[in-house]
Amino acid sequence: NAGVTQTPKFQVLKTGQSMTLQCAQDMNHEYMSWYRQDPGMGLRLIHYSVGAGITDQGEVPNGYNVSRSTTEDFPLRLLSAAPSQTSVYFCASSYSRTGKGNTIYFGEGSWLTVV
Amino acid sequence: QKEVEQDPGPLSVPEGAIVSLNCTYSNSAFQYFMWYRQYSRKGPELLMYTYSSGNKEDGRFTAQVDKSSKYISLFIRDSQPSDSATYLCAMSVNSGGSNYKLTFGKGTLLTVNP
Repeated sequence: NAGVTQTPKFQVLKTGQSMTLQCAQDMNHEYMSWYRQDPGMGLRLIHYSVGAGITDQGEVPNGYNVSRSTTEDFPLRLLSAAPSQTSVYFCASSYSRTGKGNTIYFGEGSWLTVV
Repeated sequence: QKEVEQDPGPLSVPEGAIVSLNCTYSNSAFQYFMWYRQYSRKGPELLMYTYSSGNKEDGRFTAQVDKSSKYISLFIRDSQPSDSATYLCAMSVNSGGSNYKLTFGKGTLLTVNP
């Protein structure tokens, strides 16, 4: 059981380039989300999805796109990278039912630097 | 005022000490309270989860929620060097049973010295 898998782990981009951070989970979780973590800012929600075909914006969505074509995958796209998007990105997933508590599983993180 | 406030530390204690970590919050709609532990260059992992006010104990860890004061705490007894990590508090509202959107504190960096 791999849990939540993120790729790549490290990436350097030039300003204006685009890229996709991949996220996959094998726990059949309905909910998936992307957070970014910056020094002194904590974890902030970028986008989330409550199921295949359904996505919505979180606290800091500007400059990012998402789609959810399958239950397993939830890629995060940077359309035109900016230095302000230098951060650590975490993908997370969870069940929908409260009977499962609120266990949200996080991936290992993707370190992105935009120069 | 941010929704969740957490003292970032850093906090340094000797092995065996009792550690107290705290968060305050302003949104009275929060009903689910969690503590995550994050080791360096790793993703957060759920440590404790509580619903509404009260205490919950799990081994050396005790989570405490006081909704009237909008204050939550995590106590670590007999702290070990392996407890050295960043501890993040997180909260969510009860939204139709879908409590997948978390609001995090900034995290407290804890170092337990042998």
